[in-house]
Amino acid sequence: DTTVKQNPRYKLARVGKPVNLICSQTMNHDTMYWYQKKPNQAPKLLLFYYDKILNREADTFEKFQSSRPNNSFCSLYIGSAGLEYSAMYLCASSSSGSERLFFGHGTKLSVL
Amino acid sequence: TQTVSQSDAHVTVFEGDSVELRCNYSYGGSIYLSWYIQHHGHGLQFLLKYYSGNPVVQGVNGFEAEFSKSDSSFHLRKASVHWSDSAVYFCAVIHDSGYNKLTFGKGTVLLVSP
Repeated sequence: DTTVKQNPRYKLARVGKPVNLICSQTMNHDTMYWYQKKPNQAPKLLLFYYDKILNREADTFEKFQSSRPNNSFCSLYIGSAGLEYSAMYLCASSSSGSERLFFGHGTKLSVL
Repeated sequence: TQTVSQSDAHVTVFEGDSVELRCNYSYGGSIYLSWYIQHHGHGLQFLLKYYSGNPVVQGVNGFEAEFSKSDSSFHLRKASVHWSDSAVYFCAVIHDSGYNKLTFGKGTVLLVSP
């Protein structure tokens, strides 16, 4: 099974409320990533886990959190959603030594 | 800072036509270059990659890409497209710093008319 699964597919959130997005993979990949995709923009890397070590990009450091309780599972957490968080969130995984990433179908987050 | 530029936001061709999707990058060090395809409602899928060696690399479904260091380009081509090739195509660069961190272009929407 070479799939990355994301839940939910669509998420509606209120401004100021927390949001938790979920991703899983069963390929035993050591690295899992979260990207944000807005219309007419390139997918933007937010953070990634290499094994149990979280790496957050400098310009999104304060805005997103993540957890990886085991190798297969990774979540993306927004403590207080703002309108600017409305986007497609893409989860991906890869194995070190391979430059190929496997992506989920994404979670479309709409903040109202 | 590395950047990836896909100059065409939309490309429309007829079935059976050849197509070239353009990608230019700016980075001077060692990099991996790749292309991903995203069909509507699906996740991004890997098409092909280049790091060194033969500058023309073959991918799935008849796609190929050619690396040019002098032009800083990695254009994707297909000799004869099918309607099922309609999708969004993303060019991406991995800086050779580990962790496979992809920097994407904005994508090119390819529409193949029957």
